[in-house]
Amino acid sequence: GQQVMQIPQYQHVQEGEDFTTYCNSSTTLSNIQWYKQRPGGHPVFLIQLVKSGEVKKQKRLTFQFGEAKKNSSLHITATQTTDVGTYFCAGDTDKLIFGTGTRLQVFP
Amino acid sequence: DSGVTQTPKHLITATGQRVTLRCSPRSGDLSVYWYQQSLDQGLQFLIQYYNGEERAKGNILERFSAQQFPDLHSELNLSSLELGDSALYFCASSVEGLAGVDTQYFGPGTRLTVL
Repeated sequence: GQQVMQIPQYQHVQEGEDFTTYCNSSTTLSNIQWYKQRPGGHPVFLIQLVKSGEVKKQKRLTFQFGEAKKNSSLHITATQTTDVGTYFCAGDTDKLIFGTGTRLQVFP
Repeated sequence: DSGVTQTPKHLITATGQRVTLRCSPRSGDLSVYWYQQSLDQGLQFLIQYYNGEERAKGNILERFSAQQFPDLHSELNLSSLELGDSALYFCASSVEGLAGVDTQYFGPGTRLTVL
């Protein structure tokens, strides 16, 4: 079946350092969504990418959709302690398949 | 606050029992999704309903069933519970229920503990 893998599984960074999580699908996706789940919270939608090669920015967050529409990345510049949480990508076929998630820990 | 409500917040029960989890979608949303999140695990899609009809099925066990009622609220029934069913169960809703098009809004979850 379709799989969506994310790497790394965990990332610990010092506040101010950059962070990137990568999402890879076994099949071509129509589009991809990114969600953030704070510790003890529920997933919250961040963004959706639709076009091949698309890049979108939200303040310190940069999202990219690969040219082949099989991979995506989320890059956070100058992390802050408020960035702590698990970041999930979710790829679409006939249903949304969530990636395995990357748990980000930021040390002050 | 996403506008999606789930009850109860916590549920503790014994193996072999049956429980019902309830979800009310955001006002205006026609589609409801159920997910299971085990400790340190990702989100496993269970099932989706749109306007009362089943639309998509994921890794839902035969011991589990769900339905969406005319008022659009949904219930997830878990029976013959096993220890491994202990998890956080999320409900999400969206407007049209089109995967990858709609944004899904998640409820706060129900934490199920099976002893």
